[in-house]
Amino acid sequence: GQSLEQPSEVTAVEGAIVQINCTYQTSGFYGLSWYQQHDGGAPTFLSYNALDGLEETGRFSSFLSRSDSYGYLLLQELQMKDSASYFCAVREGTGANNLFFGTGTRLTVIP
Amino acid sequence: ETGVTQSPTHLIKTRGQQVTLRCSSQSGHNTVSWYQQALGQGPQFIFQYYREEENGRGNFPPRFSGLQFPNYSSELNVNALELDDSALYLCASGNRDRNTEAFFGQGTRLTVV
Repeated sequence: GQSLEQPSEVTAVEGAIVQINCTYQTSGFYGLSWYQQHDGGAPTFLSYNALDGLEETGRFSSFLSRSDSYGYLLLQELQMKDSASYFCAVREGTGANNLFFGTGTRLTVIP
Repeated sequence: ETGVTQSPTHLIKTRGQQVTLRCSSQSGHNTVSWYQQALGQGPQFIFQYYREEENGRGNFPPRFSGLQFPNYSSELNVNALELDDSALYLCASGNRDRNTEAFFGQGTRLTVV
């Protein structure tokens, strides 16, 4: 069967670093994407890994290990506005639109 | 702002009715997908259209159907609405040939009563 597992909730202090893990089991795999979604908002693309290793985009980094079916999103220098839900999503086909999402991690940043 | 717009933003329908949701994607995007997001859950893939033809489908019954038009707009149609169809419906567009990330609209909140 298909599954993506993420922690349901994470709390971290403003200015700190937080890591959100994702393990996956899917029928097809072209890469792992990360999306941020604020309450009432649209999912916003953060990062994508097609190959093993670390991708860095400003304060956000994402890592993938295909052999371990595992990835993580690293958020540095946390800000209050980073409080949101974070989803890992497996790209199951060519093109970015065939995404299988996890249930999401609710990140709360506290002062 | 992603350039992907959806209408309406909110909608209330009665069980058994039919509904059409609309999405307008960016110029240059040739693929659009629709997702259903229940409260507290991740988006669930309904189907994808590429160059006006269905090109992949998730685990949704045939009463969920769609269309993609040459002017980058698309529709999601749901027949015989059920209470469990109440959810946020998101469309996402991209360019499959350039393998871009998916850009999501703000969604339509559908409530079935």
